Amino acid sequence: DAKTTQPNSMESNEEEPVHLPCNHSTISGTDYIHWYRQLPSQGPEYVIHGLTSNVNNRMASLAIAEDRKSSTLILHRATLRDAAVYYCILRDWAGGTSYGKLTFGQGTILTVHP
Amino acid sequence: EAQVTQNPRYLITVTGKKLTVTCSQNMNHEYMSWYRQDPGLGLRQIYYSMNVEVTDKGDVPEGYKVSRKEKRNFPLILESPSPNQTSLYFCASSFTAGGPYEQYFGPGTRLTVT
Repeated sequence: DAKTTQPNSMESNEEEPVHLPCNHSTISGTDYIHWYRQLPSQGPEYVIHGLTSNVNNRMASLAIAEDRKSSTLILHRATLRDAAVYYCILRDWAGGTSYGKLTFGQGTILTVHP
Repeated sequence: EAQVTQNPRYLITVTGKKLTVTCSQNMNHEYMSWYRQDPGLGLRQIYYSMNVEVTDKGDVPEGYKVSRKEKRNFPLILESPSPNQTSLYFCASSFTAGGPYEQYFGPGTRLTVT
């Protein structure tokens, strides 16, 4: 399975933007980049995904490097509710041994200060 | 409301007493999966199902069984639970196994085996 590397933790102040980086230098052409987050005492929650182009949705933006070897999840205005563990995950759309499975790494613990 | 439900949410049992954790989704999803989450080990896939009557092992299937007789339900069966199966369990579903589709997670079942 292609692997991702994220910082163990990051901190932000409320209402400030947050940029969460992810390195995935061994990404294959058939891997989608997914981001999930897990709030305390809850199941993981989908945030956003992309393949090659930058993506925006109501929760966040995803910026993907041109060579696709890294990506950045952008929370435009962090709130206290955004404090969670954020996971960057590669998901194969074409099959392969990891078809369907989400391989969770350790993720980035985001702390948001009031 | 689109959701994945799990029951029970909390369970304390004794070694060797068979138990079933139920999982149900109301989104007509083909793909369903079970994960367990342990401190320091993250989330790991136990079993998955591509569709009705199609199941396969994930990364940590030992000691678990599953069945998929109906599209909406995917129960996890522990025939003879042991203390090393004490964990937080999550059920997930998605439209298909392919990369572009997000996975929806249940709220989790915290199991303690004494």
